[in-house]
Amino acid sequence: QVQLQESGPGLVKPSETLSLTCAVSGYSISSGYYWGWIRQPPGKGLEWIGSIYHSGSTYYNPSLKSRVTISVDTSKNQFSLKLSSVTAADTAVYYCARLWYSSGWYYFDYWGQGTLVTVSS
Amino acid sequence: AIQLTQSPSSLSASVGDRVTITCRASQGISSALAWYQQKPGKAPKLLIYDASSLESGVPSRFSGSGSGTDFTLTISSLQPEDFATYYCQQFNSYPHRLTFGGGTKVEIK
Repeated sequence: QVQLQESGPGLVKPSETLSLTCAVSGYSISSGYYWGWIRQPPGKGLEWIGSIYHSGSTYYNPSLKSRVTISVDTSKNQFSLKLSSVTAADTAVYYCARLWYSSGWYYFDYWGQGTLVTVSS
Repeated sequence: AIQLTQSPSSLSASVGDRVTITCRASQGISSALAWYQQKPGKAPKLLIYDASSLESGVPSRFSGSGSGTDFTLTISSLQPEDFATYYCQQFNSYPHRLTFGGGTKVEIK
């Protein structure tokens, strides 16, 4: 059974960098698949942040691209998110998830439980 | 960028009702669409992929249809555990990009 677990600070100051890690168990990241980050502001909908392939290829939401870095550490079987210059608008539950491939398209089949990150001084 | 518009944004229904939720894409996306169910405080759960394929373990009362720009999620007989928020999601290959609809909250009547 594939399991994902987000970890990182729950409180980040404005203008600083948000850093989260997603530890994967039950599947080796180096075996394949894209892995992604999604966020959900309180009471609002879902927003894709970006995806990374096990080889390190990355794709980002254009609206966040200038501030986002996603990286992978296959030796630790985890991938990470960094979001710079955060503001209150970045307050959200952050999810990591696996992107499953079907018929040429990708969907999120396994999700972490999510972690709330609040941006406040 | 492709946008997904869900309707309605919320609905009230009773146990046993047939419920239909619509997702409209701003341009054709073939069948590259998924539906998720999200309950409060929980991560979304994949229900339908490739517009009409049922994810393993998902009850058969859930079904998806459509292609191109218009898609529907149907719950044939609403059960108490189905009260949740539902999201559609599309995948664009070139460039690699994913988009979610705004969500539809299904509430108890």
